[in-house]
Order: sequence, then C-alpha cells, then structure tokens
Amino acid sequence: EIVLTQSPGTLSLSPGERATLSCTASQTITNNYLAWYQHKPGQAPRLLIDSASDRATGIPDRFSGSGSGTDFTLTISRLDPEDSAVYYCQQCAHSPLTFGQGTKVEVK
Amino acid sequence: EVQLVESGGGLVQPGGPLRLSCAASGFTFRSYWMNWVRQAPGKGLQWVAIIKGDGSQKLYVDSVEGRFTISRDNARNSLYLQMDSLRAEDTAVYFCSGGIGWTALFWGQGTLVSVSP
Repeated sequence: EIVLTQSPGTLSLSPGERATLSCTASQTITNNYLAWYQHKPGQAPRLLIDSASDRATGIPDRFSGSGSGTDFTLTISRLDPEDSAVYYCQQCAHSPLTFGQGTKVEVK
Repeated sequence: EVQLVESGGGLVQPGGPLRLSCAASGFTFRSYWMNWVRQAPGKGLQWVAIIKGDGSQKLYVDSVEGRFTISRDNARNSLYLQMDSLRAEDTAVYFCSGGIGWTALFWGQGTLVSVSP
C-alpha cells in the first residue's frame, strides 16, 4: 500500500498570501497519477488537480500542482477566504487507492 | 449538469447489513469508473471500493474485503454498496464519486451510516 504523508497539518495564512502544501509518497506513483481535492465541511469534495499538474475544469488558475515520482506540491497563490478547507492528495495509480491525511488551510 | 445522489444510510446494529445507493445523472454513466469513499467522524477521506464502467473489475480496501460488495446497474444509472457484517469502525459518511480513470472527477454529497447497538 502506498502511504501518502501531507504537510503541514494546518496552515494559517492571510488573504492574498501563497499556500504551499506538500504530499510525499512512500513509493513512486506510476505516471504521476496524483490528485488533489478540496473538502469543505458538509459539502462534496471537489477535484482540483489531476495527474499531478492538470487543473480540473472550472478550477481557478490560482491553484497549481507540481511534482513527480514521490514528491508533489499544491500551490494556492493569492489566497481567498473561500479557500478555507481541508486539502487531500490521493494516489490513483495503485490499488488500494490511498489518500493523505489532509492539510487544513485557514484563511483569515 | 452532473449529479450524484446517495441514499440508504442510517442507524444499524453491529453485525447487520445495509445497502447504499447512488443515483447518477448528467453523464454517460456506463463509461465511468465509480467509487465509494468514506469519512469517519473527525477523520480524513478513505477510499473504500471502485468498479469499472462495465462492472467487470472491482477493487476494495482490505478492511472491507469480503464484507462489502460494490455493484452497478447501468440501465438504471445507479451504483450500489452492499455492506454486511457492519462494525462500529464502519461508521462514516459515504460518498459516491466517478471518473474516466481512477481519479474522482465528481462527487455526491454523501450519506451517513452509523453502526451502534
């Protein structure tokens, strides 16, 4: 099983600042099939990034993904209060599919 | 507009069964892999199971293998999760989701399953 470790656990930033979220895999993720999701309480999770760096339809260009192999990054430039949420990475290459434990982003 | 609507959650005793359903609309259901993902209270997301568009391939997380069965009815645009021998640790909100590959492109709002005496 591939274990994904996200850091930091919590990120508290001000509007307009940049957030950098990390996701490290215990082994190489084939074809960089790594996704990032945003999840707000009581809502459905939302796909942000597919295949490490492909922005999903309708996602603002403030969200970008990078990385390969075992180390991946989600960057949110110019934070907005509506970006407050928990962000998860997920590897979609190997069964069992696994999620990281999440990074909580607070924007205030 | 893509819609996924889960139903069937509720309170069930340990050892009991429960069947979840997910009604899909707004996309060509039979062409998509479909997942069940859960979130226990205060915890993160956990992938549970996935099924190929034609139903020919199914995969499960180890902790539910042999107890849960994922299935689909493409004529009814519906996804199911039959859960047997439920345990307290299965208590969670269960989301259905789907995608062309294994990435969950879109998600439902979830249905709550509580396993308690």
